[in-house]
Amino acid sequence: GENVEQHPSTLSVQEGDSAVIKCTYSDSASNYFPWYKQELGKRPQLIIDIRSNVGEKKDQRIAVTLNKTAKHFSLHITETQPEDSAVYFCAASNRNTGNQFYFGTGTSLTVIP
Amino acid sequence: DTAVSQTPKYLVTQMGNDKSIKCEQNLGHDTMYWYKQDSKKFLKIMFSYNNKELIINETVPNRFSPKSPDKAHLNLHINSLELGDSAVYFCASSQLAGKVVETQYFGPGTRLLVL
Repeated sequence: GENVEQHPSTLSVQEGDSAVIKCTYSDSASNYFPWYKQELGKRPQLIIDIRSNVGEKKDQRIAVTLNKTAKHFSLHITETQPEDSAVYFCAASNRNTGNQFYFGTGTSLTVIP
Repeated sequence: DTAVSQTPKYLVTQMGNDKSIKCEQNLGHDTMYWYKQDSKKFLKIMFSYNNKELIINETVPNRFSPKSPDKAHLNLHINSLELGDSAVYFCASSQLAGKVVETQYFGPGTRLLVL
């Protein structure tokens, strides 16, 4: 089955700096890669996603890149703000696995004011 | 107009008891899931279920069983609760659209504490 690895497990940045979180996956059939943000005590919420027919996607300060050959994808947050502090999860999925989502182990991001 | 809802939000119970957590989605999705999030924040898939197929994570003890009265509901029943079952349980739903995987939406979580 699919195996998703996520690094780093913790990340601290100064406000205004950029943050990058990286994930790798093992199943070449995976074709959908969402990123979730989970604030303390809250549910995971989708912040951005990318499909395998696209190499990069941006939404304001957030961007995701995908390298299908190397089987890795990354989340980039620019101009970080204190409210970006949360746990971020990457995931991978494909139709062949019955719409199951395989999650990375999470990255705890702290933005220092 | 909550998309995915769960009850109860908090559940405190004694070891050995049997309990259920309810989940409902009003998104018209055909696939629902249960996840367990432990103290280390790992999101572990327990079950995924649509009207055709139940996929069980092989590491889930058979004390846990999903029950789906209809397409909009997937409840989680837990027998003989153990201390290690303490965690946050999230329900989620998504839609299979032909060959395209759609994203999933999470419920607010149920915080289970077994004493």
